[in-house]
Amino acid sequence: IQLTQSPSSLSASVGDRVTITCRASQGISSYLAWYQQKPGKAPKLLIYAASTLQSGVPSRFSGSGSGTEFTLTISSLQPEDFATYYCQQVIAYPLTFGGGTKVEIK
Amino acid sequence: EVQLVESGGGLVQPGRSLRLSCAASGFTLKNYGMHWVRQAPGKGLEWVSGINDNSGAVGYADSVKGRFTISRDNAKNSLYLQMNSLRTEDTALYYCTKVYQAQLPFDAFDLWGQGTMVTVSS
Repeated sequence: IQLTQSPSSLSASVGDRVTITCRASQGISSYLAWYQQKPGKAPKLLIYAASTLQSGVPSRFSGSGSGTEFTLTISSLQPEDFATYYCQQVIAYPLTFGGGTKVEIK
Repeated sequence: EVQLVESGGGLVQPGRSLRLSCAASGFTLKNYGMHWVRQAPGKGLEWVSGINDNSGAVGYADSVKGRFTISRDNAKNSLYLQMNSLRTEDTALYYCTKVYQAQLPFDAFDLWGQGTMVTVSS
C-alpha cells in the first residue's frame, strides 16, 4: 500500500492553519497514524486510528479521514511545530510511511 | 523510565553482517508487537520489519526480505535485527519501536528509541 503525502513541503507563519494530506493507494479504513519529527530526533506519535489524539499532544493537532484520503490539520501553527510530518498505514504488512511533509517558517 | 535503547550499529563492508539489539525498560516487552524502522541520511522513514508479541508472526519490507531476520527474547526484554548480505543502500539510522496497543502485531508506534547508525561502505 503506497501513501502519497502532499505537499512535500510548505512555508507558513505562526498562527496559520496548516493542512497536510495523505492518500493511500487502496482503502485502509482508519488504520492511519501521523508522526512529527524534528531534526536529530526520533519521530513522535501525534495521532492514531486516523483521528485519535495521542496523550499529551496539543489539541491544535487533529486528524480526519478514512478509506483512502486523510488529513492532518494544525489549527494555529506554533514555533515548536516546525518539523517534518509523516503518515503511516498500519493495516497490513508491509507497513508503509508517506514521503513526509516539511513545514518551514515563512 | 519507559524507553528503548538500540545498540550494535557501526561501519561494515558490503556483504558482511551486523546484529542490532534493542533493550526495553519501564514496560513489559512480551505484551507488545515490536518493529524496526530506518532512515537513510536526509531521507524519510522506511519500515523494515516487525514481530508480534509471541514471535508467531513476522513481516519484512521487500527491500530486506531474505537478508534480515527479526527476533525477540521476552525474558531479556530485548528485540534484535540480524542483518546479512548488507548493501550500501542499507546505510541508515535504525530505530526500534513499540506498538501502541498490547497484543496487536502492528499499530501506531508510540515509543521510539534514539536509533543506532549503520554505515555500509568499503
